Order: sequence, then C-alpha cells, then structure tokens
Amino acid sequence: SYELTQPPSVSVYPGQTATIICSGDALPKQLAYWYQQKPGQAPVQVIYKDDERPSGIPERFSGSSSGTTVTLTISGVQAEDEADYYCQSADYDTTYWVFGGGTKLTVL
Amino acid sequence: QVQLQESGPGLVKASQTLSLTCTVSSGSISNSDYYWNWIRQPPGKGLEWIGYIFYTGRTYYSPSLKSRVSLSVDTSKNQFSLNLKSVTAADTAVYYCVSYYYDKGGYRLFDSWGQGTLVTVSS
Repeated sequence: SYELTQPPSVSVYPGQTATIICSGDALPKQLAYWYQQKPGQAPVQVIYKDDERPSGIPERFSGSSSGTTVTLTISGVQAEDEADYYCQSADYDTTYWVFGGGTKLTVL
Repeated sequence: QVQLQESGPGLVKASQTLSLTCTVSSGSISNSDYYWNWIRQPPGKGLEWIGYIFYTGRTYYSPSLKSRVSLSVDTSKNQFSLNLKSVTAADTAVYYCVSYYYDKGGYRLFDSWGQGTLVTVSS
C-alpha cells in the first residue's frame, strides 16, 4: 500500500530554520497536511492543502510542495516548537489517507 | 467547530472485538461538509489512519485494516462507531475520533480531534 517517508529526526538551534521533508509518489496529485504533536497531547494541524495555515498557527510555520515531496518549514524555531511532526496525504485514487512515520524535531 | 468525544472500554481481551463510539457536539453528524474518521497511535509510535465514514454510511478503510474494521453512523444520536475484530496486542493504542471538514469545492480543510482514549488489549 501507499507510503509517505519522513526523516526520523531533525535538530536545530533556537532562531534557526527547521525543514522537514515528506516524500510520496502520489504527492504531485494529492494535497498534503501537517500535524504537530507534543507529548501526551492530540495532534494539532499546522498546515492544510500543502501551504495553508489554520487560524491560530504562528506565521513561522509554512508549507510547500514540489513534485514528489512536500516540505514543512519552521522559521525562527522556538523551544516550544519541539515536538513530533507528521505529514498526511491520500493515495492516488483518494480512497484512503496515510501518515508519514513522523519526525522528531529537537531544539538544541 | 465541532467537538468530539470518544467512549468505550479501556481494556479488551485478545481475539475479541474492540468497540468505540464517538459523540459529536456543536454540530450535526449529518452535515455533508464533514467526514468522520478514526485514527490510532500505539504507545511510542506514529499515527495510523483507520478509516472514515460519511453520514450516509459510505465508508473508506485503510487497506491494512480493511479485513477487520467496520465503521457505522447513528445520525439520531449524533454518533459514529468503530468495531475492530480479532484484536491482538498490536492493536493497543490511543484511538482518536477526528472530523475532516471539506469546502464546497471538495477540498479538505480543517480537522477537529477528540482527546483520544487508550485501549489496551490483554492476553
């Protein structure tokens, strides 16, 4: 079945830019969604439709898409951004949704 | 924005059926702008989409769980439910009910998540 691939971990210093890439063969056709999850909490959507930001999500969170990859960028990372991040998208026929394996963002 | 709350047993014996219900408030489950999902997360692991249901009863399932899962909707109670049969320890997870909201163009936009409920499969 369809899979999305993310790096297991990304580390940055406060104030730097964090980039998390998600790859999948159907991404040229399908939109992507990004979630932030902190320990013991339900996930929170930070990006929808590749690059749209829900209300209440800081402007430092942005998304982009190019070919078979989508990217979550966090500019000026803050300590509070340390969390697990998941991408999600659909298979070619939009019959089911898939999550990437998740990326642990560590703020050094 | 709709609110969701999971309910059901926190402990299920192996080989039996896991059953959970999600109650929707601050909105109608019959609203055609929404799909109603179940997502799970085993302890220390990633998120797994299980399936979703439309208010008409139309369902879509993850290929990896399709043979064991069934979703149903009760519009009179504003609830939807998950049944997962023949469970094993690998089905131990936090189970979330989640709404997906779609715009008039058919694009998925926002989510709302329940708080999640831990279900442990015991031997």
